[in-house]
Amino acid sequence: GIQVEQSPPDLILQEGANSTLRCNFSDSVNNLQWFHQNPWGQLINLFYIPSGTKQNGRLSATTVATERYSLLYISSSQTTDSGVYFCAVGRWFNFGNEKLTFGTGTRLTIIP
Amino acid sequence: DAMVIQNPRYQVTQFGKPVTLSCSQTLNHNVMYWYQQKSSQAPKLLFHYYDKDFNNEADTPDNFQSRRPNTSFCFLDIRSPGLGDAAMYLCATSRDPAGTPTYEQYFGPGTRLTVT
Repeated sequence: GIQVEQSPPDLILQEGANSTLRCNFSDSVNNLQWFHQNPWGQLINLFYIPSGTKQNGRLSATTVATERYSLLYISSSQTTDSGVYFCAVGRWFNFGNEKLTFGTGTRLTIIP
Repeated sequence: DAMVIQNPRYQVTQFGKPVTLSCSQTLNHNVMYWYQQKSSQAPKLLFHYYDKDFNNEADTPDNFQSRRPNTSFCFLDIRSPGLGDAAMYLCATSRDPAGTPTYEQYFGPGTRLTVT
């Protein structure tokens, strides 16, 4: 099956710093999503980005599908950004629906 | 607001005692998924429904079953929970691309299962 690798596995930053999280995947995909898992365990959708670049406030993401990687940028980090960030990729399954394969995640800790 | 709802948020059950977790959605999505997430691991797909068609992952234990009585509801049944089944269980939905050209999955808040 498709392999998804995220780096770095852990990241500790001071409040206000910027960060870049990376996701590499081993095969072509139809879907790529970035999630933030909050301390209560809920997965919050950040971006649906199978290709191209998107921005939402302090967060932005870029996927280069031909080179099989995606980047998530967080600027001016806040303590509420702490948590685990997952990249998940999707491939075609029969009947037109998909399955997501998750990366191992990046644990981000923002220190006040 | 349209959303994915899971009940209960926390569930404690005894070893071997059957338990049912529920998921409902107001998004009118065709596809519903169940994931299992153990501590410090990534979510792992157990099975999913495309409308009423059930799709089981090859490595999902027989101890796990699912029902989808209608578009809005989906249940996860664990017939004889073991200590190794303690985990967060996440429900997700997505829409058939024949409707709109997106395959984005939306997750509920999860049910944290403890087995004593």
